Amino acid sequence: DAGVIQSPRHEVTEMGQEVTLRCKPISGHNSLFWYRQTMMRGLELLIYFNNNVPIDDSGMPEDRFSAKMPNASFSTLKIQPSEPRDSAVYFCASSRQAPASEAFFGQGTRLTVV
Amino acid sequence: AQSVAQPEDQVNVAEGNPLTVKCTYSVSGNPYLFWYVQYPNRGLQFLLKYITGDNLVKGSYGFEAEFNKSQTSFHLKKPSALVSDSALYFCAVRDIGSNYQLIWGAGTKLIIKP
Repeated sequence: DAGVIQSPRHEVTEMGQEVTLRCKPISGHNSLFWYRQTMMRGLELLIYFNNNVPIDDSGMPEDRFSAKMPNASFSTLKIQPSEPRDSAVYFCASSRQAPASEAFFGQGTRLTVV
Repeated sequence: AQSVAQPEDQVNVAEGNPLTVKCTYSVSGNPYLFWYVQYPNRGLQFLLKYITGDNLVKGSYGFEAEFNKSQTSFHLKKPSALVSDSALYFCAVRDIGSNYQLIWGAGTKLIIKP
C-alpha cells in the first residue's frame, strides 16, 4: 500500500485565492482526519469523517474552510478565500474505525498564503 | 474529558545514553495509548501502542513504552539514544466517548547530542 497520499506537497497562493488540498486514504480505512500544524498552535484536528460522513467539524476555524469526502478513497479540504494566517502544514490521516487502530499520516501539504 | 499531557517541551540526551519522553493521560475507561514520531518536513509516523496486556510495549526503531495504570503514565523509552532519534514525539489517546477521536499531547522535541 502506498500509504496516505496528499497533494500538492507545497502550495503558494495569494491572499483571497481559493485553495484545495487533496487526500487519498489507505484502502480499507473508514476514518479520515484533517489536521493543521503550526508552530504557535501545534497539531489541531480540523474535521473527522467516518464512512465518508463528517462526524466532528468543530475544529474548522471559519466558514472559509470546508471539507468533503465524496467517496471512500478521496477527500478535499478547501479554503476560500485564503488568508495569510492560514499558512500552515495540513495533514490528512486515516485509520480503521476501531479504538485500537493507529492512524496513518500523509506527508502533508505546506500552504503559504502571501 | 479525556486528555494527554507531555510535560516537557524539549528533552536533551547524549548519544548512547538512555532516553525517556514523558506522557500522562486522563481517560474514563480503558486507555488506548499511542506514540508517534515526526521528523522534519514529514508526517507523523506510528511508533507503538498500548491496548491491553503487558505493560511494556515494544515498537519501531528500538523504542518501547511503559504503561503505568496507577500513575496514568505512558512514558516512551529507549536504552541507547542515537543522533537520528532527534525528532518531535507525540503521545495520543483514543477518546472512546467521542467517536474514537485521537486526543494529542503538545509534543516533545527530543535532541540527541553526539
